[in-house]
Amino acid sequence: DGGITQSPKYLFRKEGQNVTLSCEQNLNHDAMYWYRQDPGQGLRLIYYSQIVNDFQKGDIAEGYSVSREKKESFPLTVTSAQKNPTAFYLCASSRWVSLDTEAFFGQGTRLTVV
Amino acid sequence: GIQVEQSPPDLILQEGANSTLRCNFSDSVNNLQWFHQNPWGQLINLFYIPSGTKQNGRLSATTVATERYSLLYISSSQTTDSGVYFCAVPYGGATNKLIFGTGTLLAVQP
Repeated sequence: DGGITQSPKYLFRKEGQNVTLSCEQNLNHDAMYWYRQDPGQGLRLIYYSQIVNDFQKGDIAEGYSVSREKKESFPLTVTSAQKNPTAFYLCASSRWVSLDTEAFFGQGTRLTVV
Repeated sequence: GIQVEQSPPDLILQEGANSTLRCNFSDSVNNLQWFHQNPWGQLINLFYIPSGTKQNGRLSATTVATERYSLLYISSSQTTDSGVYFCAVPYGGATNKLIFGTGTLLAVQP
């Protein structure tokens, strides 16, 4: 089945650690995105990528890093510089990054700092 | 930047009732999506509806782009319809970066 797979579903991080969230898609989509959701809130854009080896900061990129070495993969690293990393992280993809394409989401990773 | 507002913020229904959720946006948009976030957090695509009306089973949606709003209709609601409903529109130039509304929390009681 085509879709977006995020792993792990739950992740616990100690203070000062970097952690990497995985996102893989087999939809052959060019564009991929990372969003963050805090309790009771909508989603906010962290990073997006239009094509392999290219990515752009979203609205809340500080403390995060990404890479796009393969079309199907867009991992997100939450670094120790992110002051409040506990949140629900959602990865998305769309056929391309233009305005008139539909976005699809993975099942999310819930990150908790302990 | 573009603002997206949803109403009502919360809604409690008895099973079998109908409901209408509204999404207002402050600027013209090229597309609009409705999502259902289930209790496990997954965002499920409901409609991709830049304009006009679409129907999918008990759900339908209408976007009036010229008046900058969209409506999501849920008929004969079921407990499995519970969750949060988001609308989202693109922002920030010629890209499909989405800005989300704050959502409508729907609880359907048996």
